[in-house]
Amino acid sequence: ETGVTQSPTHLIKTRGQQVTLRCSSQSGHNTVSWYQQALGQGPQFIFQYYREEENGRGNFPPRFSGLQFPNYSSELNVNALELDDSALYLCASSLYGRQVNEQFFGPGTRLTVL
Amino acid sequence: KQEVTQIPAALSVPEGENLVLNCSFTDSAIYNLQWFRQDPGKGLTSLLLIQSSQREQTSGRLNASLDKSSGRSTLYIAASQPGDSATYLCAVRPRIGSARQLTFGSGTQLTVLP
Repeated sequence: ETGVTQSPTHLIKTRGQQVTLRCSSQSGHNTVSWYQQALGQGPQFIFQYYREEENGRGNFPPRFSGLQFPNYSSELNVNALELDDSALYLCASSLYGRQVNEQFFGPGTRLTVL
Repeated sequence: KQEVTQIPAALSVPEGENLVLNCSFTDSAIYNLQWFRQDPGKGLTSLLLIQSSQREQTSGRLNASLDKSSGRSTLYIAASQPGDSATYLCAVRPRIGSARQLTFGSGTQLTVLP
């Protein structure tokens, strides 16, 4: 059973640029959630994808968007990067509908915006 | 809106000591509560998950309790070791909502001194 993987590990961008982060869900899972974790804070929910559609969204602006593919992998896209977007981006996979609904997290992508 | 608080923010103990980490939440309508461990710059490792109907869960030297009515959970670590040094995060999942995303506390940074 393969765990959740994310790429790239680290990324440096400049303000105004666009970035795409990728996540492969754990084998057998059909739902991917994305979280943003600023330094010294707990993760904040960005959005969740299930059956290739957005299934809930946190308090993030529309320049944060995502995709889920038929193989359940997912992308997080951020347009018009701002300095405050610098954070660790975590994705988590789970099996939607399962009673326990435990989420398993990937190692994260560290994004630095200069 | 659910708010999760973890106290203390940081804790330093000598090796071998038993310790308790605290987590409180404002909305008792939760589906489950999860404790995670996070090493510096890394993703989250799930330690224990407690369903709302349960009072506690144990795994090795870890014991987590849940008092839903008072909005509190504790993580007890027995016979602490330097390898336990990490940030510990608690997160609650709501009982309703399509995404039922996790709401996290800011974590307790634990240092176990040899």
